[in-house]
Amino acid sequence: ETGVTQTPRHLVMGMTNKKSLKCEQHLGHNAMYWYKQSAKKPLELMFVYSLEERVENNSVPSRFSPECPNSSHLFLHLHTLQPEDSALYLCASSHERSNQPQHFGDGTRLSIL
Amino acid sequence: EDQVTQSPEALRLQEGESSSLNCSYTVSGLRGLFWYRQDPGKGPEFLFTLYSAGEEKEKERLKATLTKKESFLHITAPKPEDSATYLCAVQAWTDKLIFGTGTRLQVFP
Repeated sequence: ETGVTQTPRHLVMGMTNKKSLKCEQHLGHNAMYWYKQSAKKPLELMFVYSLEERVENNSVPSRFSPECPNSSHLFLHLHTLQPEDSALYLCASSHERSNQPQHFGDGTRLSIL
Repeated sequence: EDQVTQSPEALRLQEGESSSLNCSYTVSGLRGLFWYRQDPGKGPEFLFTLYSAGEEKEKERLKATLTKKESFLHITAPKPEDSATYLCAVQAWTDKLIFGTGTRLQVFP
């Protein structure tokens, strides 16, 4: 496979469930990102990992917990989510955090019941 | 405050009718400006990077230009397959990527 792959593509969960989103990149990049995309809003940066170390957390609630076990994989662990957390969650990767473009996966569409 | 504004919010064109999308920005030190295309149900697809005022990039029917305050994405003789949302993003010296809300383009045959 090439590019950035996200699974699952769709997820429906109750407010008390625990689930995880997975992202894998095959581009040899060493920086990875989680974004939230809601209707009519710009993409919101959630977390940044560079060389497997978290370097940015943009005031994201603790019910979202990222994990980066190596430079190719990124997870977003979810628990006790709220209805307003329903959105498209996008993963991206880039070569370091330089002015090189970020490449995105197709996202996970998350719906909270 | 770093900010990106895209206009128009939506654009309907007849096939072959050329037009331009605008991306205005204010940022503390521009490291790069990026254009992406996003189709429904998909992630953003990278199109261009522009680094300095006066720079231009072309790909098929698309041409991106950059000044010190804004960027334009020119679409020449568009086809229905060019229909998508086009996103602009700027990277400041803080390394953070700031996105606009996008322009939704519809091209009719």
